[in-house]
Amino acid sequence: NAGVTQTPKFQVLKTGQSMTLQCAQDMNHEYMSWYRQDPGMGLRLIHYSVGAGITDQGEVPNGYNVSRSTTEDFPLRLLSAAPSQTSVYFCASSYSGARELFFGEGSRLTVL
Amino acid sequence: AQSVTQPDIHITVSEGASLELRCNYSYGATPYLFWYVQSPGQGLQLLLKYFSGDTLVQGIKGFEAEFKRSQSSFNLRKPSVHWSDAAEYFCAVGESNYQLIWGAGTKLIIKP
Repeated sequence: NAGVTQTPKFQVLKTGQSMTLQCAQDMNHEYMSWYRQDPGMGLRLIHYSVGAGITDQGEVPNGYNVSRSTTEDFPLRLLSAAPSQTSVYFCASSYSGARELFFGEGSRLTVL
Repeated sequence: AQSVTQPDIHITVSEGASLELRCNYSYGATPYLFWYVQSPGQGLQLLLKYFSGDTLVQGIKGFEAEFKRSQSSFNLRKPSVHWSDAAEYFCAVGESNYQLIWGAGTKLIIKP
């Protein structure tokens, strides 16, 4: 069972570069979300989606874009990376809102 | 604003000893409460959840938690820890159907 798959697992960027973190789930979950995890701060919600074509902002959306063209995929885009975006990013999905989240294994991003 | 506090950054427990991890929340309405576990280098996994009803909830891996409204607490317990329980534990509160507020986490260290 694949569950929630995130790629890449590791990425190093230079300031100003752009990239996309991919997230795919095979559980037919309507709800998908992106979090960033920083030491001592727990998880912070970046963006979420409650279904194809519907996205909304979370707690820390600045500098990130998302789209949801299919139920399965929810990519996170960094248009112009900044060192403050160095973090571990997690994608999570659920069949019922933010109730029982299934997490990917994370993507560690370093911005130099 | 809603908040979740996990007072202990680290806890060290001997293998076979009992465990209690503390979680306090600030939330106006009846909360949805969760405990997640994160093993090193992995994503998070749901341990247990409280929505309503019986205030003592059972989870996976032998964990339980008790909701105490008067103390605004949702502490996680296990009667006898195993070396495989070494991980980071996160408490979360459902702010809405689509957003969770997370504690900063408690890292559990098991002494042999």
